[in-house]
Amino acid sequence: AQSVTQPDIHITVSEGASLELRCNYSYGATPYLFWYVQSPGQGLQLLLKYFSGDTLVQGIKGFEAEFKRSQSSFNLRKPSVHWSDAAEYFCAVGASGGGNKLTFGTGTQLKVEL
Amino acid sequence: NAGVTQTPKFQVLKTGQSMTLQCAQDMNHNSMYWYRQDPGMGLRLIYYSASEGTTDKGEVPNGYNVSRLNKREFSLRLESAAPSQTSVYFCASRSLTGSGTEAFFGQGTRLTVV
Repeated sequence: AQSVTQPDIHITVSEGASLELRCNYSYGATPYLFWYVQSPGQGLQLLLKYFSGDTLVQGIKGFEAEFKRSQSSFNLRKPSVHWSDAAEYFCAVGASGGGNKLTFGTGTQLKVEL
Repeated sequence: NAGVTQTPKFQVLKTGQSMTLQCAQDMNHNSMYWYRQDPGMGLRLIYYSASEGTTDKGEVPNGYNVSRLNKREFSLRLESAAPSQTSVYFCASRSLTGSGTEAFFGQGTRLTVV
């Protein structure tokens, strides 16, 4: 069964500092991996995705993520955080078969200190 | 381009009442999903439909039923609402033509059961 673990429930960083949000997945084959962001009271917006090719993927708003098969990880990074990045971030793994199931982690709440 | 449309946006039910949450997408996507979001729990999959004519249970299907009415529409029904079903419900759709693709989300339905 596929699953996603986001070990950090809350993270606080200062504006301008670097950010790394952790994501570990469990899936039997090569997964489809996604990071979404949710601002308060809003729906989910895709930041970036991976399904093949270069293991370092670039997304919107200056975010990037690196797929590491050996560690079953897909961590999200940003070199310099802006106050507007404060939101909840979700990692997700998608099945390529088995009904195309899409499973989310429990999320990481990011707070940015000015 | 409307994307994924959910109705209603807000709903208050009394325990034991029934209701149907509607979801429609105009992107010609094969797969559709219903999630519920609760604080600290992330998004949990209730039901999904890989393609028109098929539906499958997710992680938390008890107390819910779904109907994939056609390729565009996927409804979620609560037959006898319980306070434990107070949550924010998100519908999503996804195309699997070609490589894996991301899910697109509706704006959510905030349901309160009293």
